[in-house]
Amino acid sequence: QKEVEQNSGPLSVPEGAIASLNCTYSDRGSQSFFWYRQYSGKSPELIMSIYSNGDKEDGRFTAQLNKASQYVSLLIRDSQPSDSATYLCAVMNYGGSQGNLIFGKGTKLSVKP
Amino acid sequence: GAVVSQHPSWVICKSGTSVKIECRSLDFQATTMFWYRQFPKQSLMLMATSNEGSKATYEQGVEKDKFLINHASLTLSTLTVTSAHPEDSSFYICSAGRALYGYTFGSGTRLTVV
Repeated sequence: QKEVEQNSGPLSVPEGAIASLNCTYSDRGSQSFFWYRQYSGKSPELIMSIYSNGDKEDGRFTAQLNKASQYVSLLIRDSQPSDSATYLCAVMNYGGSQGNLIFGKGTKLSVKP
Repeated sequence: GAVVSQHPSWVICKSGTSVKIECRSLDFQATTMFWYRQFPKQSLMLMATSNEGSKATYEQGVEKDKFLINHASLTLSTLTVTSAHPEDSSFYICSAGRALYGYTFGSGTRLTVV
């Protein structure tokens, strides 16, 4: 059973701080990793994808991947109250004809003004 | 990027009736779409994979006769909740796109069965 693990939180950070969200996955052969943001009552929104070891930056977001440790993280710099949401880590599973995403349970982030 | 439209956004139905939810890919052709269910404060649960022109693939524990999926065209998949009961009340979300780039989700359908 392929699994994706996240700390459910809540993770509380002050406005302007760096929020660090972590995720581990069980399938060593996984190649594609994604971070989604889900506001309460809304559907998930894709914010980052990463495929290679190292860092990938997009604005205030940085995704980090370490395949040897089977570890993915998301850093949010200069956190804003509008970043308060649940962040879902997802790993692509290519078991079928087209891959499906395996999601972690999500980490709830709260950014305090 | 991939745009996925889902309709309706919310629906209230009486116990025992059926409800149809539509998922459309607006700017791409989707041979595969995914249907998820999410209960309050829980993560997404994949219900089934919808395949254009063939039968859907259901996840273990999901009743295929209760959750009917039809993917008759490259831009439309439908999920019909048959003989709905209060325990079927949930947030249903579809997704589609290209695996390499990650999938886009529809806006979701909140189903309440009374």
